[in-house]
Amino acid sequence: DQQVKQNSPSLSVQEGRISILNCDYTNSMFDYFLWYKKYPAEGPTFLISISSIKDKNEDGRFTVFLNKSAKHLSLHIVPSQPGDSAVYFCAASASTVYNQGGKLIFGQGTELSVKP
Amino acid sequence: IAGITQAPTSQILAAGRRMTLRCTQDMRHNAMYWYRQDLGLGLRLIHYSNTAGTTGKGEVPDGYSVSRANTDDFPLTLASAVPSQTSVYFCASSDSAADPYGYTFGSGTRLTVV
Repeated sequence: DQQVKQNSPSLSVQEGRISILNCDYTNSMFDYFLWYKKYPAEGPTFLISISSIKDKNEDGRFTVFLNKSAKHLSLHIVPSQPGDSAVYFCAASASTVYNQGGKLIFGQGTELSVKP
Repeated sequence: IAGITQAPTSQILAAGRRMTLRCTQDMRHNAMYWYRQDLGLGLRLIHYSNTAGTTGKGEVPDGYSVSRANTDDFPLTLASAVPSQTSVYFCASSDSAADPYGYTFGSGTRLTVV
């Protein structure tokens, strides 16, 4: 059973426009959420995170929104650039659960394509 | 350059053969992880180690074993490979097993079992 779900396998956006990537989770014990970016033939790299005590975290062009009641988070990229084309993984952790704090559960990934 | 080194980069392996995927980090991170990436399934945790000398099972541990004899190395062994183990394998590390801060990932090993 997938605890972290990214239901859109792919997304195509025009350069300069907003990209919105979505992620849903089922485990109410998750309290820390991260987004990773992955280019082909490379390992994932950390992009941005948010803890459950916040509903928004911003870093430059990247903003993550968390809706705890809906168990939903989203990543907004504004403006989108061709170099943003990659696979984006949502991940979650239950830091307060004994022996589970550091372990990230990942979603299936969304492949973003930003067209010039 | 500090980081994680995985070897080999890619491998074609006959079913039934034994294979060890190597992972070495030079950041003195306490925790290390092995994930496999499969299309439509994302990254799934195979095994983890919170600190040297300890290991634990993740979401999909069957058919795999790990050891953590020291801080730097975390090899993943397939005792008798099967085609369903065809995947891209990523090793990762983090400073603390208790906190879910960002992992550092290796570049991956692409394994094909035929």
